[in-house]
Amino acid sequence: AQSVTQLDSHVSVSEGTPVLLRCNYSSSYSPSLFWYVQHPNKGLQLLLKYTSAATLVKGINGFEAEFKKSETSFHLTKPSAHMSDAAEYFCVVSAPLGSYKLIFGSGTRLLVRP
Amino acid sequence: KAGVTQTPRYLIKTRGQQVTLSCSPISGHRSVSWYQQTPGQGLQFLFEYFSETQRNKGNFPGRFSGRQFSNSRSEMNVSTLELGDSALYLCASSHRPGQGATEAFFGQGTRLTVV
Repeated sequence: AQSVTQLDSHVSVSEGTPVLLRCNYSSSYSPSLFWYVQHPNKGLQLLLKYTSAATLVKGINGFEAEFKKSETSFHLTKPSAHMSDAAEYFCVVSAPLGSYKLIFGSGTRLLVRP
Repeated sequence: KAGVTQTPRYLIKTRGQQVTLSCSPISGHRSVSWYQQTPGQGLQFLFEYFSETQRNKGNFPGRFSGRQFSNSRSEMNVSTLELGDSALYLCASSHRPGQGATEAFFGQGTRLTVV
């Protein structure tokens, strides 16, 4: 079975400092992994996806994530936080081929202090 | 290119009533999935449709149902509404289901409040 654990429910950073949102996954096969962001009262927007082509994945708005199989991790990082980054972030793993089901982590709320 | 459109954006219903939510996927996308988002349970998978067929179903009671039309538009229905059905219902469309790492594009959701 597939599952995702987001290790922090809340992360608070100052504007201009690095962001680290942690995610561990469990999968019985080679997973597809995603990070989505949700701003208040909005739907979900894809930040980036891991497809096994490269372990370091670059996404939109300066975010990137590194897939580490040995650690079963897919942490999301950004070198310098911006106020507009304040939102909830979801780490997601996809179900096996043949059905398109996304399994979401519980979410990490990012607060950016001025 | 238009995104995923969900209607209505907000709904208030009374316990015991039924409700139908609509989702229009991105043009060319044939897979539509539905998710329920609540503060307590987070984001949970409801069901997925492809070419008018339900391919996968989450762990929800039979009061939750859906369908997909030949133009890929989808509806979900909840009958005999309960207070616990209050949630944000999100629809997602994708282009190539079942072929790995195909991202899903989400609508803005329908906020259902049951009173």
